[in-house]
Amino acid sequence: GESVGLHLPTLSVQEGDNSIINCAYSNSASDYFIWYKQESGKGPQFIIDIRSNMDKRQGQRVTVLLNKTVKHLSLQIAATQPGDSAVYFCAERSSNTGKLIFGQGTTLQVKP
Amino acid sequence: SAVISQKPSRDICQRGTSLTIQCQVDSQVTMMFWYRQQPGQSLTLIATANQGSEATYESGFVIDKFPISRPNLTFSTLTVSNMSPEDSSIYLCSGQLAGAPDTQYFGPGTRLTVL
Repeated sequence: GESVGLHLPTLSVQEGDNSIINCAYSNSASDYFIWYKQESGKGPQFIIDIRSNMDKRQGQRVTVLLNKTVKHLSLQIAATQPGDSAVYFCAERSSNTGKLIFGQGTTLQVKP
Repeated sequence: SAVISQKPSRDICQRGTSLTIQCQVDSQVTMMFWYRQQPGQSLTLIATANQGSEATYESGFVIDKFPISRPNLTFSTLTVSNMSPEDSSIYLCSGQLAGAPDTQYFGPGTRLTVL
């Protein structure tokens, strides 16, 4: 069946270091991927997206990498700040249904 | 991006009662969705809210329990009917903008506690 999962439930990093959050997906037909950030008590906030015809996309301090060969997605956050502390979800869009399937989430803790 | 608001932001309800959650988007959206997020867990799609017609429900969710309305392009409601403590969760609406049909933007969520 279709599933999206994350390798680690919690990631703890030192302020100023780079963070890498990983995600594995199983549906090779997925054509679009999104990373969301969810802070406590808030809804998911769009961070960055990537289409399946790309392998890298950069935003402000964030980079998403897509490896379709091994069905792996990662989010890299440069110079991690305390405000980056949140739960991060990856989501894939099924090209069959057009719906988003969410991973389980990784909690990012930034130590001052 | 879009600004999506939900009302109420939270509520505490007695079992057996019903609660209607409202979702308002400040831009025209093509698709609107309702999700449930149980404590410490990921998001699960409840249904797609279709304008002017019945919502499309995911496996495990039924209209009698979660009736949904979408009278226009920017507004939708989700009702949680005959509530039990198992319905305690965060309920989130999302929308896909007409000009950016791939990305879903989310509201702040409604935190429901059923006693």
